[in-house]
Amino acid sequence: AQKVTQAQTEISVVEKEDVTLDCVYETRDTTYYLFWYKQPPSGELVFLIRRNSFDEQNEISGRYSWNFQKSTSSFNFTITASQVVDSAVYFCALSDITGTASKLTFGTGTRLQVTL
Amino acid sequence: EAGVTQSPTHLIKTRGQQVTLRCSPISGHTSVYWYQQALGLGLQFLLWYDEGEERNRGNFPPRFSGRQFPNYSSELNVNALELEDSALYLCASSFSFYEQFFGPGTRLTVL
Repeated sequence: AQKVTQAQTEISVVEKEDVTLDCVYETRDTTYYLFWYKQPPSGELVFLIRRNSFDEQNEISGRYSWNFQKSTSSFNFTITASQVVDSAVYFCALSDITGTASKLTFGTGTRLQVTL
Repeated sequence: EAGVTQSPTHLIKTRGQQVTLRCSPISGHTSVYWYQQALGLGLQFLLWYDEGEERNRGNFPPRFSGRQFPNYSSELNVNALELEDSALYLCASSFSFYEQFFGPGTRLTVL
C-alpha cells in the first residue's frame, strides 16, 4: 500500500526565512509520481510540481525548490525567502501510473504560517 | 482556459438526507476524481471516473456513489447523510496520468 508521511504538522517562520517541508513516502511500485500541492485558505488545491520516479534531478522554480532522494524515499520542498503569501497548507502526494488505481495518496499536510 | 468548476459552493443538509455535488472538468480532460477532506482526516480518495466508467473507489460505504456523463462532467451522490460526512469535497480532473487539477470544492455541512 502507498503511504505518504508529512511529519511536520505546523511550521511558523518569519518572513524572509527559508523553510523546508519534509515528505517521506512508501510504495512497492518501481514507477510512480510525486506531487506537491498548496492549499490556501480558500480551499482550492494548487498544483506545484510533479516528479516521476526516474527523474531524481532537483528542481528550482523561483523561490521554490524540490529535493528528490529515492534512496531515502523523500521528496522535500524548500521555500527560500518566505513571504506572507506562502502561508497555506502544503500537501505531498504519491500516485502510481499503472492506470489500475490512478489516485493520489496524500500526506496529512503541513500548515505553514509566515509572519511579518 | 477554464479550470475545474464545482457546484454548489456550500451546502447545508440534515442527517438522513441525500445530496448531489457536481463537477465540470477542464476541457480535454477525461478523468474525474473525487476526494473528501474532513476535519482531522486529511484528503481521502473517494472515486475515479474515466471515459464514463468508475475505475476505482476508496474505502467509503456504498452510499457514496457517482457517475460521469458523456461530456465528462461528474456527479457525486451521498445518500443517508451522517454527521461525519461534513467535509470539503474536492473534484479534480486530469488527462491520462498527468497531474490532477482541482476545483474549489463544495463544503458540505450535515446538521
